[in-house]
Amino acid sequence: DTAVSQTPKYLVTQMGNDKSIKCEQNLGHDTMYWYKQDSKKFLKIMFSYNNKELIINETVPNRFSPKSPDKAHLNLHINSLELGDSAVYFCASSQYHGTDYGYTFGSGTRLTVV
Amino acid sequence: TQLLEQSPQFLSIQEGENLTVYCNSSSVFSSLQWYRQEPGEGPVLLVTVVTGGEVKKLKRLTFQFGDARKDSSLHITAAQPGDTGLYLCAGPLDSNYQLIWGAGTKLIIKP
Repeated sequence: DTAVSQTPKYLVTQMGNDKSIKCEQNLGHDTMYWYKQDSKKFLKIMFSYNNKELIINETVPNRFSPKSPDKAHLNLHINSLELGDSAVYFCASSQYHGTDYGYTFGSGTRLTVV
Repeated sequence: TQLLEQSPQFLSIQEGENLTVYCNSSSVFSSLQWYRQEPGEGPVLLVTVVTGGEVKKLKRLTFQFGDARKDSSLHITAAQPGDTGLYLCAGPLDSNYQLIWGAGTKLIIKP
């Protein structure tokens, strides 16, 4: 029973398209995150939601819009995709935001924009 | 400038050898977490160290948090090919609650 599941695993799309990545966690955690991992494997926070409320919104283009219908789901919608958006996107959750509790990550969505 | 510096960036050794990787900062952390990421997967939490000077063991892996809570190390004894992966450290700063990530140490254990 997967704790944090995100779909799809792979996404290949053309420049200019709009796409969504879905994430669900069944851990009962309060906080969910979207991270971007670049080709050098550096993890960069994009967004964080705590109980459906946005609490971290890093410098991310407006083309990226998160949506949390409930505290178990955090989806990521991307408009007008660009080549530079190609990366692996990870969803994660934690019991409390940014404290001593670890994060549980999904297995990632590899986005390739062509 | 990285708030958490990990070293080395890359390490390739033979099975059975010992190794240590480091996670250093000039800032104080309330805790530090270590994760291992395998290809095609997300990072998996290995351990959280909370108290300055704390040592935690996970089988052949030994984690230490510096006395001043500015650094941490991971020592692996008798490394095995299954230890191969990207090792990431992360921690929340005392001044705020955002998790800061290191750039990782890519470890390869050759059979």
